[in-house]
Amino acid sequence: GAVVSQHPSRVICKSGTSVKIECRSLDFQATTMFWYRQFPKQSLMLMATSNEGSKATYEQGVEKDKFLINHASLTLSTLTVTSAHPEDSSFYICSARVSDYEQYFGPGTRLTVT
Amino acid sequence: GQNIDQPTEMTATEGAIVQINCTYQTSGFNGLFWYQQHAGEAPTFLSYNVLDGLEEKGRFSSFLSRSKGYSYLLLKELQMKDSASYLCAVPDSNYQLIWGAGTKLIIKP
Repeated sequence: GAVVSQHPSRVICKSGTSVKIECRSLDFQATTMFWYRQFPKQSLMLMATSNEGSKATYEQGVEKDKFLINHASLTLSTLTVTSAHPEDSSFYICSARVSDYEQYFGPGTRLTVT
Repeated sequence: GQNIDQPTEMTATEGAIVQINCTYQTSGFNGLFWYQQHAGEAPTFLSYNVLDGLEEKGRFSSFLSRSKGYSYLLLKELQMKDSASYLCAVPDSNYQLIWGAGTKLIIKP
C-alpha cells in the first residue's frame, strides 16, 4: 500500500518559536494532502487541504498566517506552526489523497510547546 | 449540516464479539469509513462501505444501511491488541472526511 511519512515524529519547542513539519508520500504522487490536528481524547479535526502548486484551503477557525502550508511538490507538503504557544501543543497528522475515496495517513507528529 | 454519532467508550472481553455503532446525517452520501487508532498513532484504514450490507474482512466486518443512516463495525475473537479507538468517518461533498468522535474500546482479559 501507499506510504506516507512525517518528520519529525516528536518535537519540543519553546513558546514563540516556529516549527516545521514535513509530510511526504514515499511511493506515489499526491496532488492533495490534508493536515489534521488531534487534541488528547478528541477526534481528528481537519485544519486545511493542501493542493500542489496552489494555496491551501483552511477550515473555519484555523489561522492561515499561523499555520503556514506549502505543497511545493507532488510528494511533499509542509506545515509550519509560527510563533507557537502552549495551546498549539497537539498531535498533527497529515494524509495524502490517493483517490476520492482513499487517503493514507502519516504516522503523526507530537508537538509540545513549553 | 453533517453529524456523526458513535458511543464514547465500550468494554469487551478477550475472545468475545463487540459491535460498534455509528449513525450519521449527511447531505449526500459518498460512503462511510472505519478507522482504527491506537493511542499516540495515526489512524489506519479498516473498511469502506458504499453499498448496503455486510462486508467481512477477517475478524472485522462492517455493515451499512443507507436508508437508516447507520453503520456498525463488528469485531470477532477479540484480542488485547484490538484495544484502540475506532473512528467512523464520512466524506463530504469535497471528499474530505468528516470524523466521528471515536469509540474507545477497552478489552479485558
